[in-house]
Amino acid sequence: DQQVKQNSPSLSVQEGRISILNCDYTNSMFDYFLWYKKYPAEGPTFLISISSIKDKNEDGRFTVFLNKSAKHLSLHIVPSQPGDSAVYFCAASLSGNTPLVFGKGTRLSVIA
Amino acid sequence: EAGVAQSPRYKIIEKRQSVAFWCNPISGHATLYWYQQILGQGPKLLIQFQNNGVVDDSQLPKDRFSAERLKGVDSTLKIQPAKLEDSAVYLCASSHRPGDTDTQYFGPGTRLTVL
Repeated sequence: DQQVKQNSPSLSVQEGRISILNCDYTNSMFDYFLWYKKYPAEGPTFLISISSIKDKNEDGRFTVFLNKSAKHLSLHIVPSQPGDSAVYFCAASLSGNTPLVFGKGTRLSVIA
Repeated sequence: EAGVAQSPRYKIIEKRQSVAFWCNPISGHATLYWYQQILGQGPKLLIQFQNNGVVDDSQLPKDRFSAERLKGVDSTLKIQPAKLEDSAVYLCASSHRPGDTDTQYFGPGTRLTVL
């Protein structure tokens, strides 16, 4: 039973355009959500997070949107750059120092 | 600030052999996690330590996996004996504040291949 789902295994976007990565979750108790980026042969790198008390968090080119009623979050990258090509993992947790539950990841390819 | 260190980076063993992985978390981080990432999947928690105590090991296959975090700093994860399905990347992560949601920082991982 997957509690965090990333239904798109891959996504291709042209350089300069917007990349939108989606994530759905089933456990309504999750209250903290994170996006990690992973390059080959490296560990996941923290990108951006959002608490359930917010519906948007922005950091430079990266914005995460949270829709609690739909149990859905998305990561927007604007503008997309070739260096953004990586696997992106959505993760969720319960507050109070609990482990992360990860989705299977979406491979983003930004084409120059 | 130095990141999470892991060694070795790669390991190839035959089934039924033993293997151990080492992790050094970010200095001052009280919480340490070991995750297993099978190809095509997201990382899955194996065990969580708070200082040198185990908080959650419910998904650790205890008949063959063991882990310890002596002195609340470095940690080792051992598999004995290994099975083919243990082939995966083993990731160590650490975070700072106990009792509070906090960002976890990951090491580069150890890629284990069991033949």
